[in-house]
Amino acid sequence: GEDVEQSLFLSVREGDSSVINCTYTDSSSTYLYWYKQEPGAGLQLLTYIFSNMDMKQDQRLTVLLNKKDKHLSLRIADTQTGDSAIYFCAETHQAGTALIFGKGTTLSVSS
Amino acid sequence: DVKVTQSSRYLVKRTGEKVFLECVQDMDHENMFWYRQDPGLGLRLIYFSYDVKMKEKGDIPEGYSVSREKKERFSLILESASTNQTSMYLCASQDLKAANTEAFFGQGTRLTVV
Repeated sequence: GEDVEQSLFLSVREGDSSVINCTYTDSSSTYLYWYKQEPGAGLQLLTYIFSNMDMKQDQRLTVLLNKKDKHLSLRIADTQTGDSAIYFCAETHQAGTALIFGKGTTLSVSS
Repeated sequence: DVKVTQSSRYLVKRTGEKVFLECVQDMDHENMFWYRQDPGLGLRLIYFSYDVKMKEKGDIPEGYSVSREKKERFSLILESASTNQTSMYLCASQDLKAANTEAFFGQGTRLTVV
């Protein structure tokens, strides 16, 4: 079945770049997402990328997609303490179907 | 702004009780979902609904049922709560017409079964 894998923890210092990685198994994945969950809150969409794109940049966020390796990454430039959260990678292959989520990467930012 | 509202942030129920978790969205979205979130396991899909009175099982439907009598409301029902259903429950809605099929989430209900 479909699977989305990501490492569970990442620790960085304030001002450094963070890179959170994700791999997926469904080669027909069309939509790939990064969600952020702050403590005690629901999930909030950070950014998304379609499978026909290789890269998407949005302010401090850069998403890279390697379709051949089924690898997705989220780079956060100049990481701040407010970026501390759980980051979920998610995918779906068809509009209107449920998203498949990874287990989430807990990003810890120290000052 | 899309709003997905879950009726309770925290709930404590006893083993064997029937529990209702309510979710309401105000953007006329067709799809609605219930996930549970557990540490180290991420989000797992319990049930989803793509229209009124329609429902589909997700990955872990056992011990749960759902109801969607109106488009804006999707209820998750624990027929007889058990301690292994202690978890964070997240509701989401999705607009089929949107190009990016983004799912919008509620704030979550943390359920403790004692």
